[in-house]
Amino acid sequence: LAKTTQPISMDSYEGQEVNITCSHNNIATNDYITWYQQFPSQGPRFIIQGYKTKVTNEVASLFIPADRKSSTLSLPRVSLSDTAVYYCLVGDNGGYNKLIFGAGTRLAVHP
Amino acid sequence: EPEVTQTPSHQVTQMGQEVILRCVPISNHLYFYWYRQILGQKVEFLVSFYNNEISEKSEIFDDQFSVERPDGSNFTLKIRSTKLEDSAMYFCASRPDNGANSPLHFGNGTRLTVT
Repeated sequence: LAKTTQPISMDSYEGQEVNITCSHNNIATNDYITWYQQFPSQGPRFIIQGYKTKVTNEVASLFIPADRKSSTLSLPRVSLSDTAVYYCLVGDNGGYNKLIFGAGTRLAVHP
Repeated sequence: EPEVTQTPSHQVTQMGQEVILRCVPISNHLYFYWYRQILGQKVEFLVSFYNNEISEKSEIFDDQFSVERPDGSNFTLKIRSTKLEDSAMYFCASRPDNGANSPLHFGNGTRLTVT
C-alpha cells in the first residue's frame, strides 16, 4: 500500500507562498500523485495531479523529484480563503478502486 | 462544470431507523464511491462500485450498509439500522474511469445525525 505522510498543520500569512510536502516512499510505478483541498462541511476538491517533474495549473504547482518518493504542493500568494485541509493521495495497490485519505495538512492562513 | 449532487444536505434520524442517502454522480462517470467523515476526523473510504457491483469495501462497510444504483442516474447508500456512531458527513464521489490519473469528484455531502 502506498501510504502517505504529511505535516499535521502549517501556518502562513496572506501573500506568502506555501509549500506542503508529502512523503510516499513506497509509491508504485503506475501511481499518480493527487492533491485535494477540503473546506469545513464540504467535500474534498481536486487541486492538482502529477506523475513526475513539475505540473502547474491556475491554482497550484506540484513538484515531484526523480525518485518520486515525495511531492510538494506549492500555493503561490495564499489568501485567507486558502485556509483548509490539504490531502495528498497516491493510488492504492494498483487497483485504484480504494483511494485512501491520510490525515491531511491543516493550513491556517493569517491576516 | 458538472458536479456530483447529494441529497439531503442534512438528515436527522433516530437510532435503529433506516436511512437512504442519495447521490447523482456526474453523468458520464462509471465508478462511484462513498466516503464518510466523522466530525474532526479524516475522510474514510466505505465502498466503491462499478458495473452494478461493489468493487471494494472497507471494514466499516458491514452488513448494515448497502449501495444501489437503482436507475441510470442515482447512486444510494442505505444504512439499515442506524447507530449513534453512524453520525458523520457522508460523501459521494465519482470518476470517469479507475485509471491512476483519474481524480475523484466529490459532492458536498450529507450530514447524518443519529439521535
